[in-house]
Amino acid sequence: GQNIDQPTEMTATEGAIVQINCTYQTSGFNGLFWYQQHAGEAPTFLSYNVLDGLEEKGRFSSFLSRSKGYSYLLLKELQMKDSASYLCAVQDSNYQLIWGAGTKLIIKP
Amino acid sequence: DTEVTQTPKHLVMGMTNKKSLKCEQHMGHRAMYWYKQKAKKPPELMFVYSYEKLSINESVPSRFSPECPNSSLLNLHLHALQPEDSALYLCASSQAEGSGANVLTFGAGSRLTVL
Repeated sequence: GQNIDQPTEMTATEGAIVQINCTYQTSGFNGLFWYQQHAGEAPTFLSYNVLDGLEEKGRFSSFLSRSKGYSYLLLKELQMKDSASYLCAVQDSNYQLIWGAGTKLIIKP
Repeated sequence: DTEVTQTPKHLVMGMTNKKSLKCEQHMGHRAMYWYKQKAKKPPELMFVYSYEKLSINESVPSRFSPECPNSSLLNLHLHALQPEDSALYLCASSQAEGSGANVLTFGAGSRLTVL
């Protein structure tokens, strides 16, 4: 079967760094996405990784290891507005998106 | 224009009502999607339209009927829904289905309550 695992909830402090992990087992792999979703709002695209390594985009970075079936999203200099759910999603061999359940990130002052 | 617009934002309907959700994008995207999302759950794919043709129906009950009148519009017709169909319905679009970095742009969603 296809499976994506991420922690249900994480808590971090404003100004700190947090790493949200995602492990996956899918039928093929055509890239991994991270989306951010604030409560009651639509998901918004954060990052896409298809090759191994780190992609940096401002305060957010995403890492991929295809051999380990593993990715993480790194958020630096946390701000209160970063409180949201972070969804990991993998495109399988048919380019269908398999979604993780999401990680709710709580930022405390 | 980099947005996907959904109407209405909120909808309350009885189990015997017929209503429609509407979605519009003007980014020239050729793939459009309907997702259903329950609280604290990831989005569940319902339908995919590619070049205005239905390409994926994820075994959705017939009380949900999608329609793609043209490349910019996507509708979801609702009839005889059940209370368990209450959810956030998200429309999304992307440049093309089945491509590499197939980034989805989501609308703000229509929150549906079935009484």
